[in-house]
Amino acid sequence: GAVVSQHPSWVICKSGTSVKIECRSLDFQATTMFWYRQFPKQSLMLMATSNEGSKATYEQGVEKDKFLINHASLTLSTLTVTSAHPEDSSFYICSARGTSGGDSSEQFFGPGTRLTVL
Amino acid sequence: GQNIDQPTEMTATEGAIVQINCTYQTSGFNGLFWYQQHAGEAPTFLSYNVLDGLEEKGRFSSFLSRSKGYSYLLLKELQMKDSASYLCAVLDSNYQLIWGAGTKLIIKP
Repeated sequence: GAVVSQHPSWVICKSGTSVKIECRSLDFQATTMFWYRQFPKQSLMLMATSNEGSKATYEQGVEKDKFLINHASLTLSTLTVTSAHPEDSSFYICSARGTSGGDSSEQFFGPGTRLTVL
Repeated sequence: GQNIDQPTEMTATEGAIVQINCTYQTSGFNGLFWYQQHAGEAPTFLSYNVLDGLEEKGRFSSFLSRSKGYSYLLLKELQMKDSASYLCAVLDSNYQLIWGAGTKLIIKP
């Protein structure tokens, strides 16, 4: 299957700082990328959907000014958590959907980024 | 509203068979996915069903009945490494994935 990478794998930061997470599709062009957040023992929660070259669509309750998403190319999307606070500590996972090989409906997941805000 | 239901937790014995059910009510249907997720890791793809019937892939099989809004994941010859959460997700009419809360499967020796 297609490969999606995320960087960093984990990050610890102080409250009030901003953190950028990168999501890359390594061997296909991702027309759409999704950002999820997952708290312990809970299911994935979709935060936003981004299409290359256009503004992201945020789910209800997700602050777009706090979680900045940029999908500047067909292989890269970034999520920036601005002014992070301890309640933002979570597991952030990106997924990508493209049309290269296989079923175009399938989403390919990155390995996730564990964010801990002190 | 959109809703995906699956059991919270199941326990099974190594070497046995277990069936994890999923029922759904969504706005439109473009397929149903099953994912496996080990603790602290991202989900990994197991299966995709868009037509009624059974899809078999090694020890794992997935079944779909669109008229009943029902799917199950069947795991055979259970191994300890199969202990994980199993997530059911439906692709709705907008091609958005609607996720179930996941079923935590505990395998005992």
